[in-house]
Amino acid sequence: NAGVMQNPRHLVRRRGQEARLRCSPMKGHSHVYWYRQLPEEGLKFMVYLQKENIIDESGMPKERFSAEFPKEGPSILRIQQVVRGDSAAYFCASSPPSGRRNTGELFFGEGSRLTVL
Amino acid sequence: AQSVTQPDIHITVSEGASLELRCNYSYGATPYLFWYVQSPGQGLQLLLKYFSGDTLVQGIKGFEAEFKRSQSSFNLRKPSVHWSDAAEYFCAVGRNPNFKAGTALIFGKGTTLSVSS
Repeated sequence: NAGVMQNPRHLVRRRGQEARLRCSPMKGHSHVYWYRQLPEEGLKFMVYLQKENIIDESGMPKERFSAEFPKEGPSILRIQQVVRGDSAAYFCASSPPSGRRNTGELFFGEGSRLTVL
Repeated sequence: AQSVTQPDIHITVSEGASLELRCNYSYGATPYLFWYVQSPGQGLQLLLKYFSGDTLVQGIKGFEAEFKRSQSSFNLRKPSVHWSDAAEYFCAVGRNPNFKAGTALIFGKGTTLSVSS
């Protein structure tokens, strides 16, 4: 009974490098959400995707950040040219397709912790 | 725009004592509300949710929450706290009234609960 799987759990990058974070939603889920968590700031919404579509990216920084959820494979959050301020925990969540099965609850992974040196 | 405020950053409660964590929301329509709990280094787990109907909702681990529209509040309560309840607690509100279509959640900044013996 696999939940939302995120990897890597911990990632260390030097400034200017790229970070790629992966998220496999729960079986049967077609909606994926990415959140960023900084100490004492709670979870900030970044982007909401369905298969092959970005539904809401209002929380994504305009530069260096991108997300995708291809037809096959996990969702990817990509951060180019990382800076120290990108150090945070990045959480992925998923939910079932629209309709009766969707109760509004998001199911979270355990997060990927990015450290930028 | 929707928002969630958790006025208490950190609360300490004696084991066996009662607990109330505060949550206030700002929302233009009938909100749907959630409480999640996060243990250190882990993802978020749903405690309970409110969509409509009975304003007192029961959740897991002995938690309950009461929706009060007149006060725009959704406070979390537990009659007797256990040491294992020490964690961070997040209140959240749905961004989209049509939650069954899939929507992201807006989170408060969280309240850290410490339990003393």
